Amino acid sequence: GAGVSQSPRYKVAKRGQDVALRCDPISGHVSLFWYQQALGQGPEFLTYFQNEAQLDKSGLPSDRFFAERPEGSVSTLKIQRTQQEDSAVYLCASSSNFRGMNTEAFFGQGTRLTVV
Amino acid sequence: DAKTTQPNSMESNEEEPVHLPCNHSTISGTDYIHWYRQLPSQGPEYVIHGLTSNVNNRMASLAIAEDRKSSTLILHRATLRDAAVYYCILRDNNAGNMLTFGGGTRLMVKP
Repeated sequence: GAGVSQSPRYKVAKRGQDVALRCDPISGHVSLFWYQQALGQGPEFLTYFQNEAQLDKSGLPSDRFFAERPEGSVSTLKIQRTQQEDSAVYLCASSSNFRGMNTEAFFGQGTRLTVV
Repeated sequence: DAKTTQPNSMESNEEEPVHLPCNHSTISGTDYIHWYRQLPSQGPEYVIHGLTSNVNNRMASLAIAEDRKSSTLILHRATLRDAAVYYCILRDNNAGNMLTFGGGTRLMVKP
């Protein structure tokens, strides 16, 4: 596909359940970002990868959140023991510049997570 | 990252120009000004970015004040498909890589 692909589009999880959200970035894009967007708010940064290296994870809200990108392409955001406050849209973005600086970031459509 | 201030919402009539303002009085010399927009149920979409000079592309124009403390995104002819939340973001060329989104401006376009 031509764009950033995220799956699933929608996920309903019971409180305490673990979830895994997948992001397929644009082929060849070095930089990959995860964001969390609560209802009615702007996206908030979670973590950043340059190839397979996780260079910034300052936005991860707790140690229940974990992200990986083992081969420098597909990335997975995992949330353990989900809580109701984790309900949000999770957005993935990629860009071509290795520092991701001042180049266009391409976003996926997001995964809407609802914890019940 | 330096902060930006945008109106919460604006209204426009279809086929009329729209000027979306953004204040960034604490901008530093290495901050680029980026604009993204987010249509309903979509991820954000890049619109335009600039440093000092005004910029034009197929989607919009970006007018940057001489002191760089404010900028304006200009949609030359609003269409119903332009109804979205528009985010003005400062991105430091020397610092972290993430985009720091604020609340944005919700643009409503009336037919």
